[in-house]
Amino acid sequence: GIQVEQSPPDLILQEGANSTLRCNFSDSVNNLQWFHQNPWGQLINLFYIPSGTKQNGRLSATTVATERYSLLYISSSQTTDSGVYFCAVIQGGSEKLVFGKGTKLTVNP
Amino acid sequence: DGGITQSPKYLFRKEGQNVTLSCEQNLNHDAMYWYRQDPGQGLRLIYYSQIVNDFQKGDIAEGYSVSREKKESFPLTVTSAQKNPTAFYLCASSILIGTGGHEQYFGPGTRLTVT
Repeated sequence: GIQVEQSPPDLILQEGANSTLRCNFSDSVNNLQWFHQNPWGQLINLFYIPSGTKQNGRLSATTVATERYSLLYISSSQTTDSGVYFCAVIQGGSEKLVFGKGTKLTVNP
Repeated sequence: DGGITQSPKYLFRKEGQNVTLSCEQNLNHDAMYWYRQDPGQGLRLIYYSQIVNDFQKGDIAEGYSVSREKKESFPLTVTSAQKNPTAFYLCASSILIGTGGHEQYFGPGTRLTVT
């Protein structure tokens, strides 16, 4: 099956710093989503982005499908950005969303 | 408000008992899913259903059962055959995107502890 690798596994920032999270996948996909899991466990949809670039406030994401990677950018980080960020993909012909192991982000005041 | 609800938020059971986790959605989504998350790990798919009265096994279906009698509801039963049932269980539903993909949305989860 398709493999999803996220890096870095852990990231510690000072408030106000910028960061880039990476998601590599091993095969072509027709669905890629980024999620933020907050400290209470809730998974929040950030982006549905199988290709191209999207922006939402301080967050933006880019997926280069031909090179099998996606990037999540967080600018001017805030303590509320802390949590785990997951990338998840659906391979062509499948209905299953496959998750990476996540990047744990800690933003210190 | 539209969304996905899961109940209860916390559930405690004795080993050997079956337990059913509730998942309801009012988003009019056709597909629904159950995932399991263990500490420090990503999510793994247990079962999914693309239409009422039909469902398929995911990657870790052993020890679990589901039903899909209504579009809005997809309950998960954790049976006594599940060897390590203590985990965080997340339900999701999805909508078909115009390009042919599916965007999934998640409920708040149920933390199950079996002792």
